[in-house]
Amino acid sequence: TQLLEQSPQFLSIQEGENLTVYCNSSSVFSSLQWYRQEPGEGPVLLVTVVTGGEVKKLKRLTFQFGDARKDSSLHITAAQPGDTGLYLCAGGSGGYNKLIFGAGTRLAVHP
Amino acid sequence: KAGVTQTPRYLIKTRGQQVTLSCSPISGHRSVSWYQQTPGQGLQFLFEYFSETQRNKGNFPGRFSGRQFSNSRSEMNVSTLELGDSALYLCASSFMTGDSPLHFGNGTRLTVT
Repeated sequence: TQLLEQSPQFLSIQEGENLTVYCNSSSVFSSLQWYRQEPGEGPVLLVTVVTGGEVKKLKRLTFQFGDARKDSSLHITAAQPGDTGLYLCAGGSGGYNKLIFGAGTRLAVHP
Repeated sequence: KAGVTQTPRYLIKTRGQQVTLSCSPISGHRSVSWYQQTPGQGLQFLFEYFSETQRNKGNFPGRFSGRQFSNSRSEMNVSTLELGDSALYLCASSFMTGDSPLHFGNGTRLTVT
């Protein structure tokens, strides 16, 4: 059974701080997707990484896929209150749209 | 372009009843996946439909079923509801199958009493 362990589970920080969220597995994934979910809404895709070692930047967010395609990280620079939400990583194994989701990191950024 | 639409948004049912949830994908998207989200288990894959065929099924009992119509709209059905079925049910659509980026609806919140 493929599992994705996401850490930390909760993060409460002040505006302007940096943070990193980790997503780890013992399984290899063909892709790793990151989503953000706000209360009362469905997850919204932030990025997809597919190549081992790949780094993608989305404004203040930096996503990295591990060389062995078993882990990923999300780094936020100078967090803002608008970054508050539930961040979810999801691994794909190819062939189907069956994603394995991590438990999520609930981020709160205080002004 | 309209997003993924799920109806109803909220549903309250009693144990033993059955329920049908509906999902309209983004126009042109042929794959529809369903996920169950609970505080304890997070997001878990239920099933995926592509061109009216079930492509894959998650580890859920047979009480959970679904179907997809020729216009790509999808429904999922849960029979003989149990208290543990209380969850947010999310539908996601994508243009193709196979690690495609998913576009989620806002879900149907089902409460079983």
